[in-house]
Amino acid sequence: AQSVTQLGSHVSVSEGALVLLRCNYSSSVPPYLFWYVQYPNQGLQLLLKYTSAATLVKGINGFEAEFKKSETSFHLTKPSAHMSDAAEYFCAVSVIRGSQGNLIFGKGTKLSVKP
Amino acid sequence: DAGVIQSPRHEVTEMGQEVTLRCKPISGHDYLFWYRQTMMRGLELLIYFNNNVPIDDSGMPEDRFSAKMPNASFSTLKIQPSEPRDSAVYFCASSPIGARTDTQYFGPGTRLTVL
Repeated sequence: AQSVTQLGSHVSVSEGALVLLRCNYSSSVPPYLFWYVQYPNQGLQLLLKYTSAATLVKGINGFEAEFKKSETSFHLTKPSAHMSDAAEYFCAVSVIRGSQGNLIFGKGTKLSVKP
Repeated sequence: DAGVIQSPRHEVTEMGQEVTLRCKPISGHDYLFWYRQTMMRGLELLIYFNNNVPIDDSGMPEDRFSAKMPNASFSTLKIQPSEPRDSAVYFCASSPIGARTDTQYFGPGTRLTVL
């Protein structure tokens, strides 16, 4: 069965510091992996996705993630945090049920950025 | 396009009352998803539709919950009777082709409070 685990429900960084949000997945088939961001009082929006092309995936707002099969990881990084990055981030893996598929989301990691 | 539209944005009701949440997906999207978000359980998929047909409703918590999609541009999620434990943010999302590799576009959510 597919699942994702996000390590750390809260991460706090200083403005300008590296952002690292961790996600490990479990999947019996080659996974498709996603990172979504949720700003306060809004719905989720896609940051980036891995669908078996390049293992280093670049997304919006300067974020990127690297798919590492050997570590079953898909960690999200950004070299320099901005105040506007404060939000909750969700890692997700696609699952297949029958001929269809849908996403399983992690519990989320809330990112705080200190001035 | 206006994006996924949900109404109402906020709903406060008393235990035992019927609640109906509404969603208009992005035009041309074949898939529609209903999610529930709580602090305790995170983001849970309740049900999803493909071309107006329910595909997987295994996430619907109990018979008090029902969802319909009478046409490609409208869906409802109904709770009858409502209970305090149903208090959550309910999101609707749509997707052009499918969920396995495709981006899901989320609405702003409906915050439901059951007193």
